[in-house]
Amino acid sequence: GAVVSQHPSRVICKSGTSVKIECRSLDFQATTMFWYRQFPKQSLMLMATSNEGSKATYEQGVEKDKFLINHASLTLSTLTVTSAHPEDSSFYICSASGTGGLRNEQYFGPGTRLTVT
Amino acid sequence: QKEVEQNSGPLSVPEGAIASLNCTYSDRGSQSFFWYRQYSGKSPELIMSIYSNGDKEDGRFTAQLNKASQYVSLLIRDSQPSDSATYLCAVDMDTGRRALTFGSGTRLQVQP
Repeated sequence: GAVVSQHPSRVICKSGTSVKIECRSLDFQATTMFWYRQFPKQSLMLMATSNEGSKATYEQGVEKDKFLINHASLTLSTLTVTSAHPEDSSFYICSASGTGGLRNEQYFGPGTRLTVT
Repeated sequence: QKEVEQNSGPLSVPEGAIASLNCTYSDRGSQSFFWYRQYSGKSPELIMSIYSNGDKEDGRFTAQLNKASQYVSLLIRDSQPSDSATYLCAVDMDTGRRALTFGSGTRLQVQP
């Protein structure tokens, strides 16, 4: 199956700092990448959808100035959490989808656990 | 609002039994359906996709789709303790955005 990597897997940062998370599709070209957030014992929450070379589309309630998404190439998307606060502590997961037309399987990265102190 | 509904569980089955997981969706125009498995603390892993009515088998897993009734199910034969996880049903309800709509998941517990 398709492989998606994420880096870092775990990060601890101080309140007010920014954190960048990278998502890479390793063996396919990802025309679309998705960013999710998951709090403990809750379901996945889609934050935004990004297409290569375009601005990301954010879900309602997600602050685009706080969660900066860049999808600069067909294999890399980044999520930057700016001015992080403890309530931003969560499990951030990216997924990637290729050029399969209707058959748009999404393949997930391993996730990044963010802790803001 | 377009939705994907799953029973949260937990669904408890003995080892070796068949586990049956069900999912209903609201958008009759949906075309693509997926089952993901998520172990605690890990990200989801795609285990099955199905696009046409009927059954699709892959090893111990069988996905069943009935578009007229708007439901999709996943059967796991010979359940193993290692199958204990949360199973997420995902439906492509908006191919323009290519974003999947996920159910909240069913937690499966396989008792040894």
